[in-house]
This record gives sequence, C-alpha cells and structure tokens, in this order.
Amino acid sequence: DQQVKQNSPSLSVQEGRISILNCDYTNSMFDYFLWYKKYPAEGPTFLISISSIKDKNEDGRFTVFLNKSAKHLSLHIVPSQPGDSAVYFCAAAFQGGSEKLVFGKGTKLTVNP
Amino acid sequence: GAVVSQHPSRVICKSGTSVKIECRSLDFQATTMFWYRQFPKQSLMLMATSNEGSKATYEQGVEKDKFLINHASLTLSTLTVTSAHPEDSSFYICSVGLQSSYNEQFFGPGTRLTVL
Repeated sequence: DQQVKQNSPSLSVQEGRISILNCDYTNSMFDYFLWYKKYPAEGPTFLISISSIKDKNEDGRFTVFLNKSAKHLSLHIVPSQPGDSAVYFCAAAFQGGSEKLVFGKGTKLTVNP
Repeated sequence: GAVVSQHPSRVICKSGTSVKIECRSLDFQATTMFWYRQFPKQSLMLMATSNEGSKATYEQGVEKDKFLINHASLTLSTLTVTSAHPEDSSFYICSVGLQSSYNEQFFGPGTRLTVL
C-alpha cells in the first residue's frame, strides 16, 4: 500500500515554461512534506518543504502548494531550466516523529532547450 | 545541512560473498542515520534506521541477519550485505537526519551494488 503517490512517471517541459509536479498522499497523519531532486547515480538533494500548517512555501523558482483536504501537493518550477532535468521525489513525514520519510516513486522531469 | 559520503560508490561481487558499505557524516555528529535501497524506476525504500550505540531498527520485510548495520560512532554507519545474491543488486543510499522538527534528511551519493 503506497502512502505517497506520484502518478506521473515522467514530464516534459519547454525551457522557460512552468513545470508542475504532483504528489498525493493517503495518510492524513502526515504533517510535513518534502521535495527532493535526484540525478542518476547520485543521492537525492533536498529542494523545498512545507508544513501542514501552511498551504504554500516559496523558494526562488520553486514553490510548493499543499491542499490538505485533497491530500495533494504540487511543486511548481518557474521558469524551468535544462539543469532542472532530474527525477523529483515527493516525501512525507510526521513532524517531530521518528524522522522517517515515506517517498513516492518519483517523476522524471525533462526540460527541453 | 550535512555533508554525507559513502564508500565505495560502486562494487561488483560474486554471489555468496559479503559486502560492506560505509556511510560517513563529514560535518555533523549524527545519532541517527538511515539506509535506503532503490531499485530501477522505483521509490527509495527505507531499510533501517541506524542508531548510534544501539541496535538498528529494521523495516518490515528487511532481514536483519542479511543486512547488518553498525553505527559505532557519531560519524560512521556501515551496512554489510551478507551472502549477497543477484537479487540484492541495487542502489543503496544512506542519509543523515538532523533531528530537527523538520524531518529533513541529507543523503549520501549512493553505492551501486552488482552481485554476479
């Protein structure tokens, strides 16, 4: 039973346009969400996070939106750059809990020049 | 954040042998480290939580006798895959938890294990 789902395995976007990566979760007890970026044969790197007390968090070109009622979050990248091409993982956690993260399967983003 | 290294980055071994993977926290004293495994096109699956000075906590379905974890110091955790088989071939990644309320983890570069 997958608690964190990224239903789109891949996404292709033109450089300069917006990339929107989606993530759904099933466990309403999750109260902290993170996005990681991963290049092939490397470990994931932390991008941005959001607590369940917020519905939006912005950091430069990256914005994460959280819709608790829909158990849905999304990562917006604007403008998209070719260097953003990577696999993006959504992760969920229980804030102040055991520090365990539950990851989705990832979405491979390709930004075309 | 925290800088995390792993060694080796890539290892090929024969079936039946044991392989040790090291995870080091270079700039942070980590009481907790995590070991993940990633199969192609799959998610990162948590294998175990490594606790300094105590036994690791394994996730359901992970054989503790096969995947030995030792966290002897605040900067080093090791994962030993014992009697490796081809189905153990995977990408193994460790991470360091900062024990803040924010659950952020910082990952090592990973180790690609291929068992022949």
